[in-house]
Amino acid sequence: LAKTTQPISMDSYEGQEVNITCSHNNIATNDYITWYQQFPSQGPRFIIQGYKTKVTNEVASLFIPADRKSSTLSLPRVSLSDTAVYYCLVGIYNQGGKLIFGQGTELSVKP
Amino acid sequence: SAVISQKPSRDICQRGTSLTIQCQVDSQVTMMFWYRQQPGQSLTLIATANQGSEATYESGFVIDKFPISRPNLTFSTLTVSNMSPEDSSIYLCSVRGRGTENIQYFGAGTRLSVL
Repeated sequence: LAKTTQPISMDSYEGQEVNITCSHNNIATNDYITWYQQFPSQGPRFIIQGYKTKVTNEVASLFIPADRKSSTLSLPRVSLSDTAVYYCLVGIYNQGGKLIFGQGTELSVKP
Repeated sequence: SAVISQKPSRDICQRGTSLTIQCQVDSQVTMMFWYRQQPGQSLTLIATANQGSEATYESGFVIDKFPISRPNLTFSTLTVSNMSPEDSSIYLCSVRGRGTENIQYFGAGTRLSVL
């Protein structure tokens, strides 16, 4: 499974756009990139998943360059409630694949 | 999606005792996973539990310490045996989405404190 590297922590203010970048230099051809969000006292929650280029949903956007060795999670106009830990994961999850969590990025949104 | 219920949500236990954590899913799923999250840390996969077969444990985790049952497609239990204070963690149940979904869903976790 490809190892991921992301910043340990980030600070932001309400209303700003937050970009969290994840490095995954050893990503394999069939690997997907998935981001999860975890609030205190809760289990992780799926945010977004992509394979290449750009993916957007109602919560976030995911930008993946052509070489797929990194990805950027973009959260538009964050609010206090976006304060959480964000995990970047890389792998194949079909056919018995496992989710292996890295360290995650602790995002703190301030008023 | 899948809704996962874990019981108990939290417990305080004495060292040397055992605790069984239950995980109930609102739909039938093939793959269930148990994770541990130590204070301030990321999640660590303990084992994968598939119905009808023995659980597969990750390096550093053994069946004698963390026996797992998977009697049907909607239920699993994890037992933390002969507990010590080092077992104080949050234990989370997770399931794989159905079909070709590359998504896992997580319960809220069981917060265990061992005195």
